[in-house]
Amino acid sequence: SQQGEEDPQALSIQEGENATMNCSYKTSINNLQWYRQNSGRGLVHLILIRSNEREKHSGRLRVTLDTSKKSSSLLITASRAADTASYFCATVPTGGGNKLTFGTGTQLKVEL
Amino acid sequence: DGGITQSPKYLFRKEGQNVTLSCEQNLNHDAMYWYRQDPGQGLRLIYYSQIVNDFQKGDIAEGYSVSREKKESFPLTVTSAQKNPTAFYLCASSIDGRYEKLFFGSGTQLSVL
Repeated sequence: SQQGEEDPQALSIQEGENATMNCSYKTSINNLQWYRQNSGRGLVHLILIRSNEREKHSGRLRVTLDTSKKSSSLLITASRAADTASYFCATVPTGGGNKLTFGTGTQLKVEL
Repeated sequence: DGGITQSPKYLFRKEGQNVTLSCEQNLNHDAMYWYRQDPGQGLRLIYYSQIVNDFQKGDIAEGYSVSREKKESFPLTVTSAQKNPTAFYLCASSIDGRYEKLFFGSGTQLSVL
């Protein structure tokens, strides 16, 4: 079953603009992770944020987590054409039988 | 270079045939995973292994089988019992079984002839 739902499903912006993607999930989590996938390729881990953290930065990436709203956002600042990809959030729920469950992804297109 | 190698990149299966997808890692990771990705969808877990000689079913294990005889290798067999095998298959690994920071291979596209 899908735990995370990304919003929007697709996003098109101009190079240099910021891109914001949102993820909502259903159950309590240990951590939330964001991954990038270029077309026809494997996923690449971008950032992990734990349930006791509210914000995390990595280069041009900023991730926030609101556990009360069960949501997270990924902000890519000063986007580049090379950022064109699909972005997935994935969660590890609390409790036994922890597994990483992926959302359906946001397709980001950055145009020159 | 350390990483995960999946082969082949493209694979075609005939009716009633079993096919095996290869996954090898040289990252010295304990845990390995197989995910299936259908167009426009997220990844679904097929099988995972947290240690050599042990593996567990994921959410969609029916019609698939795996083995973990070596730490480096986690092959996936798509059996004839899997009636809808066309998909993109991704192998991943992590340092331990906590599902943190997965490293992915480049995937195998399986199609039915």
